[in-house]
Amino acid sequence: EDQVTQSPEALRLQEGESSSLNCSYTVSGLRGLFWYRQDPGKGPEFLFTLYSAGEEKEKERLKATLTKKESFLHITAPKPEDSATYLCALETSGSRLTFGEGTQLTVNP
Amino acid sequence: DGGITQSPKYLFRKEGQNVTLSCEQNLNHDAMYWYRQDPGQGLRLIYYSQIVNDFQKGDIAEGYSVSREKKESFPLTVTSAQKNPTAFYLCASSFRGRNQPQHFGDGTRLSIL
Repeated sequence: EDQVTQSPEALRLQEGESSSLNCSYTVSGLRGLFWYRQDPGKGPEFLFTLYSAGEEKEKERLKATLTKKESFLHITAPKPEDSATYLCALETSGSRLTFGEGTQLTVNP
Repeated sequence: DGGITQSPKYLFRKEGQNVTLSCEQNLNHDAMYWYRQDPGQGLRLIYYSQIVNDFQKGDIAEGYSVSREKKESFPLTVTSAQKNPTAFYLCASSFRGRNQPQHFGDGTRLSIL
């Protein structure tokens, strides 16, 4: 069974304090790994797609990396506006996504 | 602007009633999806549709029904058979094919009176 586990469940950072979020997975055949950002009361916003081990993608203060067993979302010098829940999802057969439970990030000024 | 519109934003249901949640997209996407999100949990797939007039059950389809008569629209009916319908419902759409990101609406929050 395909599984996605995100850690930590919650993370509090001071503004400017860099850190990483983890998404570990077990899947029979990885087709793609997606990162989303979700603000309270809103739908998830697409951030990145990673296709193969070793791949990296960046957007502003965010950098996503992928290995054969896990993905990391690195946040460099975060700002309070980066506070959100970050979701990781695997694409499995039939274009279906299996989501992790998310990491709730709070960045204090 | 292109996007996905879900309505209403808040919906209240009495016991024994069916309710229908609307989802419309103008992104020319072929595939559409319905998810349920409960507090502190990830998204769980209810139904999805890759093309018009065709749809498949997701992981938690019991107590729900859908239709896909138009490419732009994918309404979800929460029936009285769904015993715990209170949740945040999210609709998404994407192009068909591998590694196509799904784009989401802003959800409908359903509560039982």
